[in-house]
Amino acid sequence: AQRVTQPEKLLSVFKGAPVELKCNYSYSGSPELFWYVQYSRQRLQLLLRHISRESIKGFTADLNKGETSFHLKKPFAQEEDSAMYYCVTNNAGNMLTFGGGTRLMVKP
Amino acid sequence: KAGVTQTPRYLIKTRGQQVTLSCSPISGHRSVSWYQQTPGQGLQFLFEYFSETQRNKGNFPGRFSGRQFSNSRSEMNVSTLELGDSALYLCASSRRTDRATDTQYFGPGTRLTVL
Repeated sequence: AQRVTQPEKLLSVFKGAPVELKCNYSYSGSPELFWYVQYSRQRLQLLLRHISRESIKGFTADLNKGETSFHLKKPFAQEEDSAMYYCVTNNAGNMLTFGGGTRLMVKP
Repeated sequence: KAGVTQTPRYLIKTRGQQVTLSCSPISGHRSVSWYQQTPGQGLQFLFEYFSETQRNKGNFPGRFSGRQFSNSRSEMNVSTLELGDSALYLCASSRRTDRATDTQYFGPGTRLTVL
């Protein structure tokens, strides 16, 4: 079965510091990977997907098939980045498998 | 356009009862998926409906069921409630094409408490 592992439950950084949220996955085929984010009192929403290779709100994520990783990075954290981040992979169709989530706290 | 709506937002039931939760997808979206979120297990896929047919099902007992109507609205039902069914139930809708996964848009969730 597919699994997504986010080793850090909480990551606390100061504003302006670089951020890296780790994600490792297990998948037997070609994975489809995403990062979803949930800001305080807001709905879960898609942040980015590996297939589009775009930068959203300054965040990027590179799929490393050799290391089976899909870490989320941002060079300079902002206070508004504080949120819960989920690394997600897609099974058949729309069956999303979520990692346990990492809470990012950006301190002023 | 309006987002995914879920009703009710909060629900309290007792063990042994049954419950029905409702989800209205974004207009034009034909796929509705349901997820259970608990502190212990995190977010887990329950099932997906597309064009009134269950397309995929997660690893949950048969007490969990659902259906989708012709207007794409969906309901999920949990029978013989157990304490462990207390959770936030999220609904997500997408256009659902045959290519790579379409973006799923999540609703605010229904918080179910079983006493």
